[in-house]
Amino acid sequence: AQRVTQPEKLLSVFKGAPVELKCNYSYSGSPELFWYVQYSRQRLQLLLRHISRESIKGFTADLNKGETSFHLKKPFAQEEDSAMYYCALPPRDDKIIFGKGTRLHILP
Amino acid sequence: KAGVTQTPRYLIKTRGQQVTLSCSPISGHRSVSWYQQTPGQGLQFLFEYFSETQRNKGNFPGRFSGRQFSNSRSEMNVSTLELGDSALYLCASSLDEGARGYTFGSGTRLTVV
Repeated sequence: AQRVTQPEKLLSVFKGAPVELKCNYSYSGSPELFWYVQYSRQRLQLLLRHISRESIKGFTADLNKGETSFHLKKPFAQEEDSAMYYCALPPRDDKIIFGKGTRLHILP
Repeated sequence: KAGVTQTPRYLIKTRGQQVTLSCSPISGHRSVSWYQQTPGQGLQFLFEYFSETQRNKGNFPGRFSGRQFSNSRSEMNVSTLELGDSALYLCASSLDEGARGYTFGSGTRLTVV
């Protein structure tokens, strides 16, 4: 069965420290994963897609098929990175499967 | 261009009532999906419409229904409201069936008292 697991509900990181938000998946086939972000009082928005291999706001994510992971990383955390982050599997049967989300709290 | 628009932003209803939520997708987007967001369960898929046809439905009771109009606007209806239906209801639209991601609206905050 398709599943996305984000093991941390809350992650607190000091400003300037590296950030890693964990995401593990279960998916039959070749996955194309996404990270979505929801800043306080803003709408949920797409942060980045695995397939585009992009870096958005300093964040990157590498798909590791061996470990079935798609962790989100940033070398130096900024206060504006505080938000809720969701890892998501691509639509199958036309629905996205979201993880439960990790709240990232950047400490000053 | 305008984003995904959801109305109303906030709703307060009493148990047993019914409610209709509206979503206008980005112009040109024909796929509209609905999600329920709660602190305990996170984001849960409700259903998805494409060209006025429901293509998939999540694990929600039949009290939750929806439809899509020819202009791609979509409505979601919840009948016989229960306290547990209190949530943020999100609508998302996509141009290409989600392969490049979805664009979400701000949501409708439904409170059932």
